[in-house]
Amino acid sequence: AAGVIQSPRHLIKEKRETATLKCYPIPRHDTVYWYQQGPGQDPQFLISFYEKMQSDKGSIPDRFSAQQFSDYHSELNMSSLELGDSALYFCASSLGTGTDTQYFGPGTRLTVL
Amino acid sequence: DAKTTQPPSMDCAEGRAANLPCNHSTISGNEYVYWYRQIHSQGPQYIIHGLKNNETNEMASLIITEDRKSSTLILPHATLRDTAVYYCIVRVARSGGSNYKLTFGKGTLLTVNP
Repeated sequence: AAGVIQSPRHLIKEKRETATLKCYPIPRHDTVYWYQQGPGQDPQFLISFYEKMQSDKGSIPDRFSAQQFSDYHSELNMSSLELGDSALYFCASSLGTGTDTQYFGPGTRLTVL
Repeated sequence: DAKTTQPPSMDCAEGRAANLPCNHSTISGNEYVYWYRQIHSQGPQYIIHGLKNNETNEMASLIITEDRKSSTLILPHATLRDTAVYYCIVRVARSGGSNYKLTFGKGTLLTVNP
């Protein structure tokens, strides 16, 4: 079965640079969630989208923005990168009904030098 | 969402059943119990979820107590590949509005030993 696709899988950036992470949800899924997992920490919710509209927001820095496009893929844009932004970034998708089970992608490992 | 409490770590012998407990004493009537696991640095993997009845799928069984204040995830025949952090998460079913994020706690590190 098709899974959530994230690209790139690894990304290395310098401080103050920008980064764009992409997420392609499972076909027919209309909801996307972004999570951040710092070293030795548990995943933390950042932001979510349903039918191309932002539906919920967590501890996402103002330097980050995200959107969901007409084909339901989503992009997380990160500007003025800081060392502390180094983390795994996971995207999850769900079919926006019922128990709304979220399925996660493999993640993007962002390293800020 | 209700908070959950899990033991930080557990060990299990390969081939034996692994029983992972979770306490969620403040769970509400419309909240489901979800279980995910994360094998080192991989994306969290959905295992199973339930509301009040026991559930079983190809991966595991979920036993929820009658008062719904605790649950147990059972891996019937643990293998080395089941070594992972297991997260018990309580969340409302989707019915409009927002706030369907998953709130991950510390989870249980299950180590399956040969």
